Amino acid sequence: KAGVTQTPRYLIKTRGQQVTLSCSPISGHRSVSWYQQTPGQGLQFLFEYFSETQRNKGNFPGRFSGRQFSNSRSEMNVSTLELGDSALYLCASRPGGGYTGELFFGEGSRLTVL
Amino acid sequence: GQQVMQIPQYQHVQEGEDFTTYCNSSTTLSNIQWYKQRPGGHPVFLIQLVKSGEVKKQKRLTFQFGEAKKNSSLHITATQTTDVGTYFCAMDSNYQLIWGAGTKLIIKP
Repeated sequence: KAGVTQTPRYLIKTRGQQVTLSCSPISGHRSVSWYQQTPGQGLQFLFEYFSETQRNKGNFPGRFSGRQFSNSRSEMNVSTLELGDSALYLCASRPGGGYTGELFFGEGSRLTVL
Repeated sequence: GQQVMQIPQYQHVQEGEDFTTYCNSSTTLSNIQWYKQRPGGHPVFLIQLVKSGEVKKQKRLTFQFGEAKKNSSLHITATQTTDVGTYFCAMDSNYQLIWGAGTKLIIKP
């Protein structure tokens, strides 16, 4: 079974630009969540989607948004990039519903904002 | 909001020495998960603890969940170079994981 796939793996943007990151979950997994990882703040929850519905959102500004498609693939978008948005963005999937077990992570998308 | 405190931030050990990381919460946890992240990698699930006082072992790794379900620990016996990485605890709450800050295991040369 293929794992969680994130694209792109690396990207460099400049301040003020916007970026879209993509995540394909493990086949059959309907829950997709996104995390931001920085050396200073650790792993911070962005949002979680299940069956195209956002069930929870972390404490991030409105510049951070996401969506999930009917095939469970998810995208997140960051608009008006700031230097502080430089981070590793991790996507994770799990079967969903009421399942509260293991999160399966992708390799991440490393964003550098110049 | 809910928080999980994890200590220490770093632990330097000689290869063969033991390693322990601790997580504490002010609130009762429904469960706690442990992940390992190798340098340059992504978090990989190790285990989930659910029951009060639970102790689980995976080879040289021992995981404990406190009786009051407010604390947990991970102990590695006789560390090896393959153990290098950052170990995170995380609590599951409302479709998200709330993460400890992680403990970085560093093997002294």
